[in-house]
Amino acid sequence: AQSVAQPEDQVNVAEGNPLTVKCTYSVSGNPYLFWYVQYPNRGLQFLLKYITGDNLVKGSYGFEAEFNKSQTSFHLKKPSALVSDSALYFCAVRDAGSARQLTFGSGTQLTVLP
Amino acid sequence: IAGITQAPTSQILAAGRRMTLRCTQDMRHNAMYWYRQDLGLGLRLIHYSNTAGTTGKGEVPDGYSVSRANTDDFPLTLASAVPSQTSVYFCASRPGQGAYEQFFGPGTRLTVL
Repeated sequence: AQSVAQPEDQVNVAEGNPLTVKCTYSVSGNPYLFWYVQYPNRGLQFLLKYITGDNLVKGSYGFEAEFNKSQTSFHLKKPSALVSDSALYFCAVRDAGSARQLTFGSGTQLTVLP
Repeated sequence: IAGITQAPTSQILAAGRRMTLRCTQDMRHNAMYWYRQDLGLGLRLIHYSNTAGTTGKGEVPDGYSVSRANTDDFPLTLASAVPSQTSVYFCASRPGQGAYEQFFGPGTRLTVL
């Protein structure tokens, strides 16, 4: 069975500093990996995905993520955080051979302090 | 283009009552999904449909049923609501073969008393 772990429930960072939100995964085959963001009282918005190719994936709003197969990680990063980046972030994984279902992590609340 | 709409936005329901949460998409996506979101648990898949006329069970299907009579609509029914079904429910869709990311509706906040 596939699984996702987001080891930090809460991440605080000062505005202008780099941010990292951690994600590790477990799948039986090749992983398809995703990051979503959720603002208060809203649905999830797609940020970026890794399917194949370059390990560094660039997405919306200046976010990027690095796929590391040996460490089974897919950490979300941004060079300079904005207060408006404060939100709940979810990592998700799909096994390439599965019935197209995503498994989500428990979420990480990012707070960017002014 | 509205994308995915869900109704109602929120609902308070007495235990034992029947309730249908509505989900409609106008993107002609083949696959649709229902998730529930609970604090500390992330999103858990309830039911899914890979194409109109077919449905499947997700991680937490008990107490819920779905139907997919056409491409656009994917209602979720609670036959007899229980307090443990208090949650925020999200509908999502995915275009189909070769497209992997899902698109989410705004959610329905359901409270079962």
